[in-house]
Amino acid sequence: DAGITQSPRHKVTETGTPVTLRCHQTENHRYMYWYRQDPGHGLRLIHYSYGVKDTDKGEVSDGYSVSRSKTEDFLLTLESATSSQTSVYFCAIKPATQETQYFGPGTRLLVL
Amino acid sequence: KQEVTQIPAALSVPEGENLVLNCSFTDSAIYNLQWFRQDPGKGLTSLLLIQSSQREQTSGRLNASLDKSSGRSTLYIAASQPGDSATYLCAVSGAGGTSYGKLTFGQGTILTVHP
Repeated sequence: DAGITQSPRHKVTETGTPVTLRCHQTENHRYMYWYRQDPGHGLRLIHYSYGVKDTDKGEVSDGYSVSRSKTEDFLLTLESATSSQTSVYFCAIKPATQETQYFGPGTRLLVL
Repeated sequence: KQEVTQIPAALSVPEGENLVLNCSFTDSAIYNLQWFRQDPGKGLTSLLLIQSSQREQTSGRLNASLDKSSGRSTLYIAASQPGDSATYLCAVSGAGGTSYGKLTFGQGTILTVHP
């Protein structure tokens, strides 16, 4: 157990509403990632962080922003949710001394 | 742009069979390749990680091989059990100092092992 929690675990929202998903880790690992998982696409990287206030875009970053003001928290924000952002969102962490990534339980987001 | 493909998309086998899952990638400049398992409604669990300089890794009944030059990896599962039923995902990490461990995933193989 890498001590990763995601909140909320399930969310239903309406188009145009802002949404923030939270990833929290207890181990103070340097690297954190947000992925989305959709049928037929596997997991795709949205944004990642390599330290406090150090973030960068992944493959599918349009419509998403992130923030990391503390080592333990990595927030993903959908500024104005669209139906195409309905997905399962996974957070992952990577210790600086390892190459393996450890994944959280996921957040199911439905945008109506 | 790196692309990862997994074949087959789904596989159903009787208990006790040995099986092979395939993964291919288009850019051979990888840092490592990882195999993950995902149970329905759950997150991913790392099974095996192969560094680019390695040819294979083994863990229990699992053996993963890597042929970087041809852009291929296989996951071999020996003596399959119903508890092995899950989705298996392959992912590669790009080479280079600024990769920061970013992973590119395949679409996964859904494995069903029936008693």
